[in-house]
Amino acid sequence: DQQVKQNSPSLSVQEGRISILNCDYTNSMFDYFLWYKKYPAEGPTFLISISSIKDKNEDGRFTVFLNKSAKHLSLHIVPSQPGDSAVYFCAASYSGNTPLVFGKGTRLSVIA
Amino acid sequence: ETGVTQSPTHLIKTRGQQVTLRCSSQSGHNTVSWYQQALGQGPQFIFQYYREEENGRGNFPPRFSGLQFPNYSSELNVNALELDDSALYLCASSPGGSSYEQYFGPGTRLTVT
Repeated sequence: DQQVKQNSPSLSVQEGRISILNCDYTNSMFDYFLWYKKYPAEGPTFLISISSIKDKNEDGRFTVFLNKSAKHLSLHIVPSQPGDSAVYFCAASYSGNTPLVFGKGTRLSVIA
Repeated sequence: ETGVTQSPTHLIKTRGQQVTLRCSSQSGHNTVSWYQQALGQGPQFIFQYYREEENGRGNFPPRFSGLQFPNYSSELNVNALELDDSALYLCASSPGGSSYEQYFGPGTRLTVT
């Protein structure tokens, strides 16, 4: 049973437009959510996170939104750049220093 | 500041053999977690070590075992390799305590034939 779901395996966006990546979770005990970006032949790189007590966190071009009632979060990238092309993983955690539970990932392609 | 490193990069083994993968944690980090990423899947938690003690284990059989050393580096050992063990093995380190973020190494690609 997948606790963290990324239902879109892939997404194509034109350079300069907004990319929106979605993630749903089933376990209401999760209290922290993270997004990782992964290039081929590299490990996942931490991108941005959000605590369950917040509904938005912004870092430069990246914003994560959390809707606890819907158990849904999204990552917005504005404007999208070709270098953003990668696989994006949504992950959730119960508390500090505990295992991360990952979704299957969404492959983002930003077309110039 | 040195990031998380893993060795080897690639490995090919035969079914039934044993393998040891190595990980050096980021400076100042006392917690190491291991994940298995099969093709088309997200990383799956194997186990975590905190200050040389196992601190949690995912749904993996006992033939997956590990160690953490006093310098917080870690090993993942897999005995009696099966074809389904073919995957990318990722090591992540974190500073422990209440920290949520984990920082990943580049991974070891294991192929079992």
